[in-house]
Amino acid sequence: AQSVSQHNHHVILSEAASLELGCNYSYGGTVNLFWYVQYPGQHLQLLLKYFSGDPLVKGIKGFEAEFIKSKFSFNLRKPSVQWSDTAEYFCAVKGSGGSQGNLIFGKGTKLSVKP
Amino acid sequence: AAGVIQSPRHLIKEKRETATLKCYPIPRHDTVYWYQQGPGQDPQFLISFYEKMQSDKGSIPDRFSAQQFSDYHSELNMSSLELGDSALYFCASSDSVWGSYEQYFGPGTRLTVT
Repeated sequence: AQSVSQHNHHVILSEAASLELGCNYSYGGTVNLFWYVQYPGQHLQLLLKYFSGDPLVKGIKGFEAEFIKSKFSFNLRKPSVQWSDTAEYFCAVKGSGGSQGNLIFGKGTKLSVKP
Repeated sequence: AAGVIQSPRHLIKEKRETATLKCYPIPRHDTVYWYQQGPGQDPQFLISFYEKMQSDKGSIPDRFSAQQFSDYHSELNMSSLELGDSALYFCASSDSVWGSYEQYFGPGTRLTVT
């Protein structure tokens, strides 16, 4: 069965610090990978996605992620975080099911940025 | 741009009652997904519909049922509610033809069972 694991449950950073959130997936076939952000009390918003091609994907708000197939990883990065980045971040994979396949989410990483 | 609409946004029910959650996908999206997110949990897939037919089923209890109507909106019907059903229920929609597998999430319905 497909699964996603996020290594960090809660990350606390100061503003301007660099961020890297780990995500590993287990699925041997073609995967579509996503990072979603959920601000407090709000719905999930797509940060970035990977389907194929360049393994370094750039998303909104200065976020990027690198797909490393050999490591089954899709880590999220941002060079300099801001207080407004405080949110919960979910890595997700869509594997089987083609274009109608559902997303499988990791447990999420809560990011707290201190001003 | 139009987004996914869910109603109601908040719902309070008592144990053993029933609830109906509604989802209106983005226009021209043909696939709807339902997810349940318990407190402090990750979203768990419940069920999905493609072109008004159930396309996949996840961890949806037998007490729940759902359908997608001719106008593509979907309803999640929940009966014999239990305290553990208290959660945020998200609907997402996607365009299976042109949408590149991207799912757009609605604001969610927060269900509280007392």
